Amino acid sequence: DMKVTQMPRYLIKRMGENVLLECGQDMSHETMYWYRQDPGLGLQLIYISYDVDSNSEGDIPKGYRVSRKKREHFSLILDSAKTNQTSVYFCASSWTSYEQYFGPGTRLTVL
Amino acid sequence: GQQVQQSPTSLVLQEGENAELQCNFSTSLNSMQWFYQRPGGSLISVFYNPSGTKQSGRLTSTTVIKERRSSLHISSSQITDSGTYLCAMGGTGGYKVVFGSGTRLLVSP
Repeated sequence: DMKVTQMPRYLIKRMGENVLLECGQDMSHETMYWYRQDPGLGLQLIYISYDVDSNSEGDIPKGYRVSRKKREHFSLILDSAKTNQTSVYFCASSWTSYEQYFGPGTRLTVL
Repeated sequence: GQQVQQSPTSLVLQEGENAELQCNFSTSLNSMQWFYQRPGGSLISVFYNPSGTKQSGRLTSTTVIKERRSSLHISSSQITDSGTYLCAMGGTGGYKVVFGSGTRLLVSP
């Protein structure tokens, strides 16, 4: 069964704390994505990864970094989280086409 | 850059009515995908349809590349169809996908 997983599903952090969001997929997809979704702004691409250690900035990379050491696993890291990074974060993966499969999302609140 | 315009922004239907959702894009595309999202939920793929017409039950997607548009037709709408429908366009490189702002559909009894 094709699946994208995200952990944790809900997270509350204080401003200045570090945040680690994790994403996994069991489809051996090469390409993985991190998005954030905010009311009125839609889905915004943070980073895209084309394979292990092959990552590229998306449209809003500032304040974020990523890590991909295994094809099936893609992490999003917020060093010293800010309140304006409160959002819902989605991970997605795709194979050789643009067809994307999305994870369930992580709702992050930064106080 | 690539832009995707979705219309209408919102739509209210009575159960049983049909709906036509539109997505127009400013540049040539390599892919078109329609997603469904409930409030607080994830994006569920409805169709991956780079060109032509695809049908699944009451849903039909038509993508016409030359006219730079894609549509999602919902026939005999049901209350459970309520939610937001997003289209996403893949462009010419980098596997980046541009999303429309969505159509919020409400189907009432």
